Amino acid sequence: AQRVTQPEKLLSVFKGAPVELKCNYSYSGSPELFWYVQYSRQRLQLLLRHISRESIKGFTADLNKGETSFHLKKPFAQEEDSAMYYCALREGAQKLVFGQGTRLTINP
Amino acid sequence: DAGVIQSPRHEVTEMGQEVTLRCKPISGHDYLFWYRQTMMRGLELLIYFNNNVPIDDSGMPEDRFSAKMPNASFSTLKIQPSEPRDSAVYFCASSLDGTAYEQYFGPGTRLTVT
Repeated sequence: AQRVTQPEKLLSVFKGAPVELKCNYSYSGSPELFWYVQYSRQRLQLLLRHISRESIKGFTADLNKGETSFHLKKPFAQEEDSAMYYCALREGAQKLVFGQGTRLTINP
Repeated sequence: DAGVIQSPRHEVTEMGQEVTLRCKPISGHDYLFWYRQTMMRGLELLIYFNNNVPIDDSGMPEDRFSAKMPNASFSTLKIQPSEPRDSAVYFCASSLDGTAYEQYFGPGTRLTVT
């Protein structure tokens, strides 16, 4: 079975410090991975997808097939980055399997 | 477009009562998903539909849960009878078929069963 693991339920860093939210996956095929984010009082929304190789709001995520990881990184955290972050793996045509989520808090 | 619409936003009910959650997907989207979010288990897929047909209901926890999609613009998730362990936030999401894959989520319904 495909699985997504986010080992940290809570992560707290200071403003200006680097951030790394960990995500590991298990998948028998060629994985397609995403990060979704939920800001306070907002809807869960797509942050970035690995196939786009994009940087959104300063965040990047690189797929490492050797380590089966898709960690989300930002070099300098901002207070508005405080949110719930979910890593997700595409399974089949339309299904997403989500990790348990990491609540990121940026301290001033 | 108002996006995915869910109602009610909050529901408090007593154990044993029937609960019905409602969802209106984004117009034109082919797929509709129901998720449950809890602190312990995170975001779990319960069931999803394609063109109003249920495709995968393997995440539905037990027979007390049922979901329907009578037309392209409306879906319900029903719990009968409800139990305290059903307390969670229930999300509905919709998506378009295609390679630029993204699910659009509703605001969620916070269910409390006492």
